[in-house]
Amino acid sequence: QQQVKQSPQSLIVQKGGISIINCAYENTAFDYFPWYQQFPGKGPALLIAIRPDVSEKKEGRFTISFNKSAKQFSLHIMDSQPGDSATYFCAASIEDITDKLIFGTGTRLQVFP
Amino acid sequence: SQTIHQWPATLVQPVGSPLSLECTVEGTSNPNLYWYRQAAGRGLQLLFYSVGIGQISSEVPQNLSASRPQDRQFILSSKKLLLSDSGFYLCAWRGGRLYNSPLHFGNGTRLTVT
Repeated sequence: QQQVKQSPQSLIVQKGGISIINCAYENTAFDYFPWYQQFPGKGPALLIAIRPDVSEKKEGRFTISFNKSAKQFSLHIMDSQPGDSATYFCAASIEDITDKLIFGTGTRLQVFP
Repeated sequence: SQTIHQWPATLVQPVGSPLSLECTVEGTSNPNLYWYRQAAGRGLQLLFYSVGIGQISSEVPQNLSASRPQDRQFILSSKKLLLSDSGFYLCAWRGGRLYNSPLHFGNGTRLTVT
C-alpha cells in the first residue's frame, strides 16, 4: 500500500531525445507527487511536483503526466541533454502531520552526445 | 535562506563500533526531520522521522536509533555497527505544518562498515 513502483531501472537516451520514466502507486490517499534528481555524491533535489487535481505540469523541458484513475504518473524530459544524466526518483506522500515521502527505487539516466 | 548541514561526508568504521551522524538545519523552525538510507544502486529508504523535539518514529526495525535533542538537530546512532549498515545516509527536512512542501536533503554521509 505504501509502495511506489518505478521503471525502468536504467535508461540510455541520445542527446535531443525524450526520456520517459514511469511510476505507479497503490495508496489512493497519496496527494503529492514530486520528482527528485540526484547527481553522484549529492543529496537528491526537487525537480518538479504535481498534485492529483491536475493531469499535467510542465516546467521547462520537464513535464509530469498524471493519471489518477490508473494510479500512475510519469516524468518526461524533452530534448534530453548530457547534463541531465543523473538518477531520478519519483515519490509520493499524504498530507498529514508526518509528511513522509515514500520514494521509488530510482532510474539512472544516461544521455549520450 | 534555509540550509542543512550533515557530517561527516565519509566514514569508514569497523564492525561492532558505535556510530553517530549529525544533521542540523538553519533558517527555519519546527521542521519535520528525516533520516533516509540509500544502499548502492538502490532507492531511498526512510529510516526515522521526527515532527518535534524528542519525538522519533521508526519506519524500519534495525540496528539504528535516532534522537532529536534540539528543534533543528537530528542524530542517527548505533551502538554496534553491522556490515549491512553500510550505505549513503541522508538527512532531510520539510517545513513543519506546511504540508507537502518540498523535502530538502543534505549532501549525505557515505558510511562503509568493514
